[in-house]
Amino acid sequence: GDSVTQMEGPVTLSEEAFLTINCTYTATGYPSLFWYVQYPGEGLQLLLKATKADDKGSNKGFEATYRKETTSFHLEKGSVQVSDSAVYFCALSEGNFGNEKLTFGTGTRLTIIP
Amino acid sequence: EAGVAQSPRYKIIEKRQSVAFWCNPISGHATLYWYQQILGQGPKLLIQFQNNGVVDDSQLPKDRFSAERLKGVDSTLKIQPAKLEDSAVYLCASSSHPGGAQHFGDGTRLSIL
Repeated sequence: GDSVTQMEGPVTLSEEAFLTINCTYTATGYPSLFWYVQYPGEGLQLLLKATKADDKGSNKGFEATYRKETTSFHLEKGSVQVSDSAVYFCALSEGNFGNEKLTFGTGTRLTIIP
Repeated sequence: EAGVAQSPRYKIIEKRQSVAFWCNPISGHATLYWYQQILGQGPKLLIQFQNNGVVDDSQLPKDRFSAERLKGVDSTLKIQPAKLEDSAVYLCASSSHPGGAQHFGDGTRLSIL
């Protein structure tokens, strides 16, 4: 079945450091790929997405490129802030039209220290 | 626009008791999802509704879990009887259509003693 593998955390960085969180996937077809962010005590929020190979999703300074050849969707940000501290989930969506469902990775906890 | 509303935020019960969670999706969203998020794991889909019909409940433990969305708007998820391994955050999400971007509520944190 479909699966998502994320780099294990926790990840601790200093403010203004460069961030990479690795994500690879296994799927039978051509899934859409997502990054969700979960701030403490809150639900998940969609951060960015990409629906086909070579698409780049971006939002709030974060970027991720859909790499079909390496089945990867790594999350990057050039300069992190304390407010980026959260848990980040990589996810894929696949299925027949009307029955698409999200499969999540286990999440990566990110802590940014001033 | 108002987001997905869930209640209660927290619930503590003893094993073998029953519990119910409520979700009100974003207005106009036809698709509603319930997820279980165990500590340290990603959310796992329990059930997906399209209006008031079930699209996917393949991962719902039907011997103890049930869910309904009678009028195609609000939904309730029930556990009866609860087991220790049911301790988790239960997330509700909605989307305007199947495959559309999912909007999540803040979840209900359930602790089983």
